[in-house]
Amino acid sequence: AQKITQTQPGMFVQEKEAVTLDCTYDTSDQSYGLFWYKQPSSGEMIFLIYQGSYDEQNATEGRYSLNFQKARKSANLVISASQLGDSAMYFCAMRVMNTGFQKLVFGTGTRLLVSP
Amino acid sequence: EPEVTQTPSHQVTQMGQEVILRCVPISNHLYFYWYRQILGQKVEFLVSFYNNEISEKSEIFDDQFSVERPDGSNFTLKIRSTKLEDSAMYFCASSGQFNQPQHFGDGTRLSIL
Repeated sequence: AQKITQTQPGMFVQEKEAVTLDCTYDTSDQSYGLFWYKQPSSGEMIFLIYQGSYDEQNATEGRYSLNFQKARKSANLVISASQLGDSAMYFCAMRVMNTGFQKLVFGTGTRLLVSP
Repeated sequence: EPEVTQTPSHQVTQMGQEVILRCVPISNHLYFYWYRQILGQKVEFLVSFYNNEISEKSEIFDDQFSVERPDGSNFTLKIRSTKLEDSAMYFCASSGQFNQPQHFGDGTRLSIL
């Protein structure tokens, strides 16, 4: 069965510093996708970044980058130059391809607090 | 930028009543999903929908749940006889192709009294 593990329930970072949010995954599939979503206190789910299992380069989207280490089955999110607006819950998710459709399996999330 | 729209944002219902949660996916998307998030917990998959039929459903999605795409734009989740444990945030999501990211709506907070 597919599983996502986020071991950091909470992280603190000072504004303008970089922070890494950890995510490890478990799957026997060769083809899969890894996603990060941000959930502010208002509750919506905001897509941040995607990494495919066959992508050779680490994904980047603005201040977000994904440190993909396939052999270690990790897909850590790096946020550079943290801003106060980055304070939120962050969920790592994996696309499951067993039926050919992309059901997402989520981790338990990491709450990030950015301080001035 | 196109977005997934969900209504209502908050629904309060008496236990045992039927509730319908509504979603308007992004217009050219083909794959539709419902997820739920019980307060303080992780997001859980409920059901996926493609080509006017359910493609996969989870153990949570029992006979009390149903989904429908009644027209070309709406995608609904119906809970026939609500229970206290159905209280959660329900998210609708859609994607264009099966390997593209899913875009989520803002969610409907369902409170069962």
